[in-house]
Amino acid sequence: DAKTTQPPSMDCAEGRAANLPCNHSTISGNEYVYWYRQIHSQGPQYIIHGLKNNETNEMASLIITEDRKSSTLILPHATLRDTAVYYCIVTDTGNQFYFGTGTSLTVIP
Amino acid sequence: KAGVTQTPRYLIKTRGQQVTLSCSPISGHRSVSWYQQTPGQGLQFLFEYFSETQRNKGNFPGRFSGRQFSNSRSEMNVSTLELGDSALYLCASSWTPGQAYEQYFGPGTRLTVT
Repeated sequence: DAKTTQPPSMDCAEGRAANLPCNHSTISGNEYVYWYRQIHSQGPQYIIHGLKNNETNEMASLIITEDRKSSTLILPHATLRDTAVYYCIVTDTGNQFYFGTGTSLTVIP
Repeated sequence: KAGVTQTPRYLIKTRGQQVTLSCSPISGHRSVSWYQQTPGQGLQFLFEYFSETQRNKGNFPGRFSGRQFSNSRSEMNVSTLELGDSALYLCASSWTPGQAYEQYFGPGTRLTVT
């Protein structure tokens, strides 16, 4: 079962930062936080993952709170192509991924 | 580098038939996972294979099975198809299990059971 809670939907203006929250209050010490997104009718796409420290790559930034009970995915300058369902997943290495229902992000022109 | 490929992309079958779906992972990836996606249940984990061995299995009936070959290519089979098996079947590959590696997904096979 999914171990994360995400808002079902969010809107963001094009060019602005999109901040997608995720609660994972039961996360254990060896579990990672992964973010994926799925654009309509395509396979999910990996975005970023982290354990304790904040992470940044060419797509996004991941901010994990100090107690690791929640995290935020930041898309710094949202474009229309970022409209997708975003999944926050918590899992330890070697275990299966539970995707949950995700957040449907709509970027508005 | 080529991505994950799945064949066929679309398939129509009738109830009671069986179906085999194929997945070729990214070169060098040795772990393959399968997922079922439906509007009602979302993305659900089916099973994971590594080195030709099933490592994890989701909560699906025995009609769903899979295997992995020595070249890491994987197939999944669904026997005695039911209408509820209509779904997008996604395959994902990663380097190995047991590490914090990301999974790369294929485009999926859209199965329609009539």
